[in-house]
Amino acid sequence: AQSVTQLGSHVSVSEGALVLLRCNYSSSVPPYLFWYVQYPNQGLQLLLKYTSAATLVKGINGFEAEFKKSETSFHLTKPSAHMSDAAEYFCAVTLSGSARQLTFGSGTQLTVLP
Amino acid sequence: GAVVSQHPSRVICKSGTSVKIECRSLDFQATTMFWYRQFPKQSLMLMATSNEGSKATYEQGVEKDKFLINHASLTLSTLTVTSAHPEDSSFYICSARDPRGDNSPLHFGNGTRLTVT
Repeated sequence: AQSVTQLGSHVSVSEGALVLLRCNYSSSVPPYLFWYVQYPNQGLQLLLKYTSAATLVKGINGFEAEFKKSETSFHLTKPSAHMSDAAEYFCAVTLSGSARQLTFGSGTQLTVLP
Repeated sequence: GAVVSQHPSRVICKSGTSVKIECRSLDFQATTMFWYRQFPKQSLMLMATSNEGSKATYEQGVEKDKFLINHASLTLSTLTVTSAHPEDSSFYICSARDPRGDNSPLHFGNGTRLTVT
C-alpha cells in the first residue's frame, strides 16, 4: 500500500519569499507522485508529476519538486511566492500510474502575506 | 480550458430528495471516471470508480444504494445522491483520465457543493 504525508496543514509566507511545502511518501515500489492545487470551491489542477524520469520536476506557475528516494520525499518549492499562489495544495501518490489507487495527502493550506 | 465539466457547481436541496450531479469529459472519451468526496478542510476520498457500460466499483464503506452512479456514455458519468440527508452535505468532485498519451494525469471537474437542509 502507498501513502503520503504532508507536514504542516498550514504554511504562511510573505510575498516574494520561498515557498516550501513538504511531502513524504511511503511505497513498496517506485511511485508516481503528483502535486495538485485547489482554489476555493474548485476542483484540483495538476501542478507537476514525477513518473520515474528526471528527479527534478518543473511544473506550472513556477513550481518545482525534487524526488529524493533516500529521503522518501517530494517537496514542492517555488522561489518567490505570489499572492495568487494562496490555495490548498495536495500531494498524491499512485503505483503504476493507476488512477484508482491515487492516494491524496491531507493537504496544506498556503497563505501568502502582503 | 476545462477538459472535465461538472454540473451543477452548487445545489441546495431538502432532506429526502435526490440530487443528480453530472460529469462530462469535453474533448476525450473516458471509459473510466472517478467520484470523490471532500469534507471541509480535508483531503479527497475516493467514493467510486465509474465504468462505461458496466457497474461502478465502490470503495469500502460507500453505500451503493445511496450514491447511484451511471456511466451511460464515453463522455458522461452521473452521481445521484438519493434520499439526501444533511450528513450528505459535502463537496463532490469527479475526475477522468485522457487515455491519449502515456501517464496522462487525471483531469478534475470544478466540484459540486451539495447542501442538504
